[in-house]
Amino acid sequence: AQKVTQAQTEISVVEKEDVTLDCVYETRDTTYYLFWYKQPPSGELVFLIRRNSFDEQNEISGRYSWNFQKSTSSFNFTITASQVVDSAVYFCALSEALDLNTDKLIFGTGTRLQVFP
Amino acid sequence: NAGVTQTPKFQVLKTGQSMTLQCAQDMNHEYMSWYRQDPGMGLRLIHYSVGAGITDQGEVPNGYNVSRSTTEDFPLRLLSAAPSQTSVYFCASSLGQGLVTGELFFGEGSRLTVL
Repeated sequence: AQKVTQAQTEISVVEKEDVTLDCVYETRDTTYYLFWYKQPPSGELVFLIRRNSFDEQNEISGRYSWNFQKSTSSFNFTITASQVVDSAVYFCALSEALDLNTDKLIFGTGTRLQVFP
Repeated sequence: NAGVTQTPKFQVLKTGQSMTLQCAQDMNHEYMSWYRQDPGMGLRLIHYSVGAGITDQGEVPNGYNVSRSTTEDFPLRLLSAAPSQTSVYFCASSLGQGLVTGELFFGEGSRLTVL
């Protein structure tokens, strides 16, 4: 069965530190998508990135970068030079081949990131 | 630019009462879904719909009912509220039409407490 594990419940850093949020997934499918979402204190979830199982290239967007490794079933998220505005709960999610017509996402339990000034 | 609108934002119920959480989107999205968020559990899918007139169960459907009579609306009904249904509920939508993006647009959430 599909599963997403975010072992880090809460991480605290000081502004300008780099931080990596871990995500490990389980799936029997060879075709799947992985996602990261951000939930700021306001509560609304915001889409950050999508990665398909055939594309293992790392991606960088400003201070955000994502490292996808199929060999370890991981899709980790790094924030470089963290800022107070990065404080949020971050969710990793998975969508499998059978559900690829439905946008059904399986979410991890989330990692709460607190960035202190 | 409304996006996904959920009402009410807060609700307190007594055990056994019924209620409906409303969800409306104005983006002409075909796919809509309901999640509940509980501490330590992440978000779990309750029900989803790939278009008007079509609904299906997610991971935790028991105690909930949905319908999709229009593209815009996807209400979630609690038939007989139980304390275990105390949670924050999120409605989400996406383009659908067989185009999988995983880019769900979420509402602000509805916090429900069942006493």
